[in-house]
Amino acid sequence: SQQGEEDPQALSIQEGENATMNCSYKTSINNLQWYRQNSGRGLVHLILIRSNEREKHSGRLRVTLDTSKKSSSLLITASRAADTASYFCATTSGGSNYKLTFGKGTLLTVNP
Amino acid sequence: DGGITQSPKYLFRKEGQNVTLSCEQNLNHDAMYWYRQDPGQGLRLIYYSQIVNDFQKGDIAEGYSVSREKKESFPLTVTSAQKNPTAFYLCASSPAGNTIYFGEGSWLTVV
Repeated sequence: SQQGEEDPQALSIQEGENATMNCSYKTSINNLQWYRQNSGRGLVHLILIRSNEREKHSGRLRVTLDTSKKSSSLLITASRAADTASYFCATTSGGSNYKLTFGKGTLLTVNP
Repeated sequence: DGGITQSPKYLFRKEGQNVTLSCEQNLNHDAMYWYRQDPGQGLRLIYYSQIVNDFQKGDIAEGYSVSREKKESFPLTVTSAQKNPTAFYLCASSPAGNTIYFGEGSWLTVV
């Protein structure tokens, strides 16, 4: 079963613009993570936000979490062509931090 | 180099054959995972293991089997019972939950 749902499914922007992707989930979570995947490659961890946190930053990335709305957003500022990839949110819930459930991802294309 | 190594990168399976995908990690992580990814889709959990000699079914375990005899190794066998095995398979590991680290994946195609 898929816990997270990313929105939009695809996003195309110009270099230098900001990109915002959203993730909604269904049940209470322990934490929420964002991953990036270049085509045909493994996933790379970007950032983890715990259920008691509201915002985290890492370089050009900003993640917010609204547990009342069961949603998170990933903002990439000043995008670059190299940011072109699929972005996935993933959650853990219940008594386990081992079982990570992924959404279907947002395909971001940054045009030079 | 530390990391997760999956092999082979590309594998072809004939109908009715079992095939095994290898996954080795030298990160000293306790937990290991296998995910399946279909084109344009997210990842679905096949099996995961929190410690040696123990593993749990994920969301789509039917037609797959695993073993965890060593901490470093978590091979996945795709059996003939898996009727639609063509997919991208990703192995991952983590230090007791939280952030997980992925290998580069293996493409399996049925011919």
